[in-house]
Amino acid sequence: GDSVTQMEGPVTLSEEAFLTINCTYTATGYPSLFWYVQYPGEGLQLLLKATKADDKGSNKGFEATYRKETTSFHLEKGSVQVSDSAVYFCALINTGTASKLTFGTGTRLQVTL
Amino acid sequence: KAGVTQTPRYLIKTRGQQVTLSCSPISGHRSVSWYQQTPGQGLQFLFEYFSETQRNKGNFPGRFSGRQFSNSRSEMNVSTLELGDSALYLCASSQGGSSYEQYFGPGTRLTVT
Repeated sequence: GDSVTQMEGPVTLSEEAFLTINCTYTATGYPSLFWYVQYPGEGLQLLLKATKADDKGSNKGFEATYRKETTSFHLEKGSVQVSDSAVYFCALINTGTASKLTFGTGTRLQVTL
Repeated sequence: KAGVTQTPRYLIKTRGQQVTLSCSPISGHRSVSWYQQTPGQGLQFLFEYFSETQRNKGNFPGRFSGRQFSNSRSEMNVSTLELGDSALYLCASSQGGSSYEQYFGPGTRLTVT
């Protein structure tokens, strides 16, 4: 079945550092890929998405590129802020099960001054 | 446009009781999906409803059920509660069809004692 693997957290960075959170996936067909963010006590917010190979999703300084050859969708940000501290989830939807999001385990990011 | 709303936000129930959670999707969205989030199992898909019909279902026992009304509002019910049902229950809405973006509500925190 479909699966998503994320790097283990927590990730602790100083403000203005470069962020990379690794995400790889296993799926049949051509899934759409997503990054969601969850702040404490809240639901999930859609951060960015990519629907086909080589697509780059971007939002609020975050970027991720859909790499079919490496089955990856790594999240990057050039300069993190304290307000970026949250849990980040990589997820996919397979066109065969279009309503079901399959999530990774989440990566907690802590940004310090 | 108002976001996804879930009621109640917090619930405390006793083992063996049943509970009903409610979700109001974004106006115009016809698809509602439910997810369970726990520290041990992460985010798991429960089921999805589209135009009052269950279109997709995850691997949960029959104690978990749901329905959708003609105005797209959805409810999920858990009968004969177990301690392991303690979780954050998240509802997500989307336009369905070819649009796969799911927007999440704040969740209902269920505690079973």
